Amino acid sequence: QSALTQPASVSGSPGQSITISCTGTSSDVGVYNYVSWYQQHPGKAPQLMIYKVSNRPSGVPDRFSGSKSGNTASLTISGLQAEDEADYYCSSYTTSSTPVFGGGTKLTVL
Amino acid sequence: QVQLVESGGGLVKPGGSLRLSCVASGFTFSDYYMSWIRQAPGKGLEWVSYISSSGSTIYYADSVKGRFTISRDNAKNSLYLQMNSLRVEDTAVYYCARGRGGNSGWDYWGQGTLVTVSS
Repeated sequence: QSALTQPASVSGSPGQSITISCTGTSSDVGVYNYVSWYQQHPGKAPQLMIYKVSNRPSGVPDRFSGSKSGNTASLTISGLQAEDEADYYCSSYTTSSTPVFGGGTKLTVL
Repeated sequence: QVQLVESGGGLVKPGGSLRLSCVASGFTFSDYYMSWIRQAPGKGLEWVSYISSSGSTIYYADSVKGRFTISRDNAKNSLYLQMNSLRVEDTAVYYCARGRGGNSGWDYWGQGTLVTVSS
C-alpha cells in the first residue's frame, strides 16, 4: 500500500487560514470516509485532531476542520496560532483492511 | 485517564530479536483494537500492525510480515510486539495506540519506545 501524498510543508501567518491536502486513490481515501488527521509536536506522540473525515474529538479547537472530495482529503486550520506549528499526518483505511499514512506536512507559523 | 506505557526498546544487532510491551490503564482494554505504529528518526509515521479486541483478527504491514508478531493479554491489560530478524531499517520509535473504533483512527497514543538496530 503506497503512502498518501501530502505537501512537505505549508506556512501561514497568525490569524490566517491554511489547508493541507492528502491525496490517495480509489482504494483508500476515495472509497472510505475513514480519514483521520494527527498533529505531532517535536519529540511528542501524535494527537488525533480529526476522525472520519470531518469529526473533531472533544478538546480539539473548532479552528480545525476536515473535508474530502474524491480521492483527496483536506485539513483546514483557521485563525492560525503559534502553537499550531507542528507536523501533520493524514491516515486512511484501505481496501486491504489496513491503514496507511501520508508522508506528513510541516506547518510553519510565520 | 487513559494511559498507554510502552517498554522494551533498546539497541539490538541486525538479525536480533526484541519484545515490546504496552501496558494500558484508564479504560476497558478488552473492548478496543490496538495498533503498533512506528516512526523512523526524522521520518513520518508508519503503521506496523493491529489486533482486534479479542485477538482473533490481526494484520501486518508488508514490511514486517513474517518477522513481527503482535499479541495481547486482556487479563494483564497488555499489548506486545515480538520483533525477530530485525533490520537496520526497523530502527524507529514504536508507539502503541488505541483504535478509536470503526477504522476511524487512533485516539490515544503512548509516549513511544526507541528501537535501534545497529551493529
